[in-house]
Amino acid sequence: DTGVSQNPRHKITKRGQNVTFRCDPISEHNRLYWYRQTLGQGPEFLTYFQNEAQLEKSRLLSDRFSAERPKGSFSTLEIQRTEQGDSAMYLCASTVNTGELFFGEGSRLTVL
Amino acid sequence: QKEVEQNSGPLSVPEGAIASLNCTYSDRGSQSFFWYRQYSGKSPELIMFIYSNGDKEDGRFTAQLNKASQYVSLLIRDSQPSDSATYLCAVSSTSGGSYIPTFGRGTSLIVHP
Repeated sequence: DTGVSQNPRHKITKRGQNVTFRCDPISEHNRLYWYRQTLGQGPEFLTYFQNEAQLEKSRLLSDRFSAERPKGSFSTLEIQRTEQGDSAMYLCASTVNTGELFFGEGSRLTVL
Repeated sequence: QKEVEQNSGPLSVPEGAIASLNCTYSDRGSQSFFWYRQYSGKSPELIMFIYSNGDKEDGRFTAQLNKASQYVSLLIRDSQPSDSATYLCAVSSTSGGSYIPTFGRGTSLIVHP
């Protein structure tokens, strides 16, 4: 399978715990995006990378969120001190410069 | 703030009919326009993109763009029950050197037999 891969697919955690999601993009794609989606809403932009450089981060993203893309390959999204409001589907997408996003299956986070 | 507006629906059409989905956007500098389909519990998948004013056809799908009116639409001809999904409009520009597709909330389409 050469699509975008995300792990874990589901994560249930208690409030205050840290969680980390991983995304493996399509190998030749240089841009990688993280979005968050809640029920009934469209994907909300969180951050994006071009190769290993994090070029933009949403103003809505609190300091509890951090993302990395070492060596321009896979990416991780970490949420520290999770809150119930962080419960959502976290979507990773990749693309070449044409901009048509290819999404992974998503990582669903439930914070109890 | 760049906004993309869609009627959340649901839009209900009979099998075989034409479904028309609409989207408006606020950023006049927008250059690229996309339609994604999202089945319940699944991630979005790209079905159409359009960059220039006018119509673009791909099989049963036609995307229409009117930059003057800041309006983009998706027509689905001969709608099938398998087309029942949420359709997300996404818009992006390259202003400031960034490229961040902004999504609408999506329109739920129901095609009934």
